Amino acid sequence: QKEVEQDPGPLSVPEGAIVSLNCTYSNSAFQYFMWYRQYSRKGPELLMYTYSSGNKEDGRFTAQVDKSSKYISLFIRDSQPSDSATYLCAGSKAAGNKLTFGGGTRVLVKP
Amino acid sequence: ETGVTQSPTHLIKTRGQQVTLRCSSQSGHNTVSWYQQALGQGPQFIFQYYREEENGRGNFPPRFSGLQFPNYSSELNVNALELDDSALYLCASSLIIDRDYGYTFGSGTRLTVV
Repeated sequence: QKEVEQDPGPLSVPEGAIVSLNCTYSNSAFQYFMWYRQYSRKGPELLMYTYSSGNKEDGRFTAQVDKSSKYISLFIRDSQPSDSATYLCAGSKAAGNKLTFGGGTRVLVKP
Repeated sequence: ETGVTQSPTHLIKTRGQQVTLRCSSQSGHNTVSWYQQALGQGPQFIFQYYREEENGRGNFPPRFSGLQFPNYSSELNVNALELDDSALYLCASSLIIDRDYGYTFGSGTRLTVV
């Protein structure tokens, strides 16, 4: 069993819809949780990170962490075709420690 | 210079050969990590360097080795290449300040082993 699991998708939504992405993890020691966006042929770009449980909002993006159920989520409001990419979730035990990634979810936002 | 730069962008090698990949960290960052990303998979941690010393290693064999230089640039060396080493190799630099992650990835080097 992988430490971080993601549905590979693809997840197809119409422009303007809310994109809902989820990950589950098994390592109770994870304290930091990140969401990265990766376009084809590019490196991952950090969207949001969260420390411990709770919600965090940044513009159209909201990240949620529920450590009791080991479940992390990312919501993208008012989705745009430019949001079409692969979204990677990751966990880490401490700031600066290695990141353990899920396999990524491919998202397609159709005009 | 801002951002993390990696070179080369693409590389084709023959099985059994050796390869060196290079990374220039983002200005001010003192930690560099290397990841391997196979097609359709998430990145896998190879190792991390902090102040020129290895500071953590993933589940990769010793033929994967690295260096970090005083200017915080870094190299990843892979000996005795195998077909399964074909992947995107990502370098990430960071500067840890409290809980600010500041983890910046480069665009990667795509290695093909034939």
